[in-house]
Amino acid sequence: EAGVTQSPRYAVLQEGQAVSFWCDPISGHDTLYWYQQPRDQGPQLLVYFRDEAVIDNSQLPSDRFSAVRPKGTNSTLKIQSAKQGDTATYLCASSPDWGYEQYFGPGTRLTVL
Amino acid sequence: GDSVTQTEGLVTLTEGLPVMLNCTYQSTYSPFLFWYVQHLNEAPKLLLKSFTDNKRPEHQGFHATLHKSSSSFHLQKSSAQLSDSALYYCALSDNNAGAKLTFGGGTRLTVRP
Repeated sequence: EAGVTQSPRYAVLQEGQAVSFWCDPISGHDTLYWYQQPRDQGPQLLVYFRDEAVIDNSQLPSDRFSAVRPKGTNSTLKIQSAKQGDTATYLCASSPDWGYEQYFGPGTRLTVL
Repeated sequence: GDSVTQTEGLVTLTEGLPVMLNCTYQSTYSPFLFWYVQHLNEAPKLLLKSFTDNKRPEHQGFHATLHKSSSSFHLQKSSAQLSDSALYYCALSDNNAGAKLTFGGGTRLTVRP
């Protein structure tokens, strides 16, 4: 069974530039999560979906970040105007509707100069 | 809100010695607790989970005991191996399937020969 896949694996931007991250969860997993992991810190939830519906986006900086999962499968996280403070690894995870465990992708390491 | 505290940011010990990584938590509900391990440049992977009080889950020689009375879920291993060197995160979720995870700050374990 294929795991969670993410692309790109790395991104380097200047402040003010936009970037999108893409995630393909494990097939059949209804719930999809986006976490931000600053260097040497634990992952922090940004947003999560059940199917195509947003369940919790309270930690997503809505002025610059957006996330969609239009068909309830793949998802895209976008930063409209990146800041140096956005430098982090962005992790996508998925879990089945009946389960409690989350399976993480390899992450996208973002550096904003 | 929910929170997880890992008091040691860095633990260094010699191969063969016992390992104990601390984890305490605060939650309004009766949460589920998890330990995730993250090796260098890899995604976090589930190491242990505990869904019932005073049960001791085990995996790869690691075990953890959930004590609701002290809100703790410490990770232990009787004899450290070089391959155990990694970042360890304690996390909690509420007891609903597909719930979000709240992570602690992580403990970096380094095992020396």
